[in-house]
Amino acid sequence: DQQVKQNSPSLSVQEGRISILNCDYTNSMFDYFLWYKKYPAEGPTFLISISSIKDKNEDGRFTVFLNKSAKHLSLHIVPSQPGDSAVYFCAASGEGGNNRKLIWGLGTSLAVNP
Amino acid sequence: GAGVSQSPSNKVTEKGKDVELRCDPISGHTALYWYRQSLGQGLEFLIYFQGNSAPDKSGLPSDRFSAERTGGSVSTLTIQRTQQEDSAVYLCASREGPYNSPLHFGNGTRLTVT
Repeated sequence: DQQVKQNSPSLSVQEGRISILNCDYTNSMFDYFLWYKKYPAEGPTFLISISSIKDKNEDGRFTVFLNKSAKHLSLHIVPSQPGDSAVYFCAASGEGGNNRKLIWGLGTSLAVNP
Repeated sequence: GAGVSQSPSNKVTEKGKDVELRCDPISGHTALYWYRQSLGQGLEFLIYFQGNSAPDKSGLPSDRFSAERTGGSVSTLTIQRTQQEDSAVYLCASREGPYNSPLHFGNGTRLTVT
């Protein structure tokens, strides 16, 4: 049972436009959410996170929005650049204190076309 | 500074053989995780080390899998009597602080069991 779902396996956008990657979760105990980016043959790299006490966190071109009532979060990339082409993973954590396990989505492959 | 280093980057082995995968975390990082990613799947948690505490082995898929972390630094993941379903990318990650600090991943070891 997937507790973190990324329903779009792939997304294609034009350079300069907005990319919106979506993530849904089922466990109401999750209170911390992260987005990671992964290039081929490399490990995931941390992009941005958000705590459940917030509904928005912004870092440069990247903004994460959290809608707790809908158990939904999204990552916005504006403007999108060809170098943003990668697989984006949504992850969530909740109970467990410092030994929290991250629960990962299956990823969305983003292609930004020049 | 150096990131998380994993070796080998690729490993091809025959079914039934044992393999050892190595992870050098970032110096000073007290938490170390092993994950694996099978084709088309998300990241699957395997094992977690935190300082001198007993490791959380709850993600290990069978007793053929074991891991140790010597001196609170280097970790080795051992798979005995490998099976074809063990083929995956094995990722190691380390973390400096508490749960809400990001994981830093190595580039993984791609294991192929023939």
